[in-house]
Amino acid sequence: GAGVSQSPRYKVAKRGQDVALRCDPISGHVSLFWYQQALGQGPEFLTYFQNEAQLDKSGLPSDRFFAERPEGSVSTLKIQRTQQEDSAVYLCASSLGTGGNTIYFGEGSWLTVV
Amino acid sequence: DAKTTQPNSMESNEEEPVHLPCNHSTISGTDYIHWYRQLPSQGPEYVIHGLTSNVNNRMASLAIAEDRKSSTLILHRATLRDAAVYYCILRDVWGYGGATNKLIFGTGTLLAVQP
Repeated sequence: GAGVSQSPRYKVAKRGQDVALRCDPISGHVSLFWYQQALGQGPEFLTYFQNEAQLDKSGLPSDRFFAERPEGSVSTLKIQRTQQEDSAVYLCASSLGTGGNTIYFGEGSWLTVV
Repeated sequence: DAKTTQPNSMESNEEEPVHLPCNHSTISGTDYIHWYRQLPSQGPEYVIHGLTSNVNNRMASLAIAEDRKSSTLILHRATLRDAAVYYCILRDVWGYGGATNKLIFGTGTLLAVQP
């Protein structure tokens, strides 16, 4: 499809396991965002890429969270040594430019840590 | 980032208009007012945005107060598919100080539509 694609859609991880979540933004989109959404809450910003450069990682909750976008297209959010509080929906979003362009969101990756 | 205040929830009847309010008393001159909505089990989607003048598109209308300290999202005829969480967000698109123009979400308004 032409939208933002995320995989896996659902992931169950055992506490302490590492997970990797993938995001395929809309083709040609320069900006890419990651958000975390806990149940009943609004999405919370994690990090932002402009092409391959990670310009803002102010929202990453700990050094267990790492994101990359090495070729300026596909991005991966990695969570090391998962904990129960990491259970959430992880949303990826992209926009065409770097200014006020509309931001398009994927359907999210639902992570449950048991 | 400037904050917004929205009611936690609202109810509407199908095919009636819905007015979703948002207060943003600390809005700055370069803040655009954006509305996104999130349907169940989906990511947020763009609805509408504006700066000073009222705006209309195929989804909704946005009415902005003259002093810009409040705005109202108007759905002209609510349908069951409009049941969602609606977020009012201020967004400084000029990127002062290296801002990334990210969206800062609050908790939004949960709109229930009754048949």
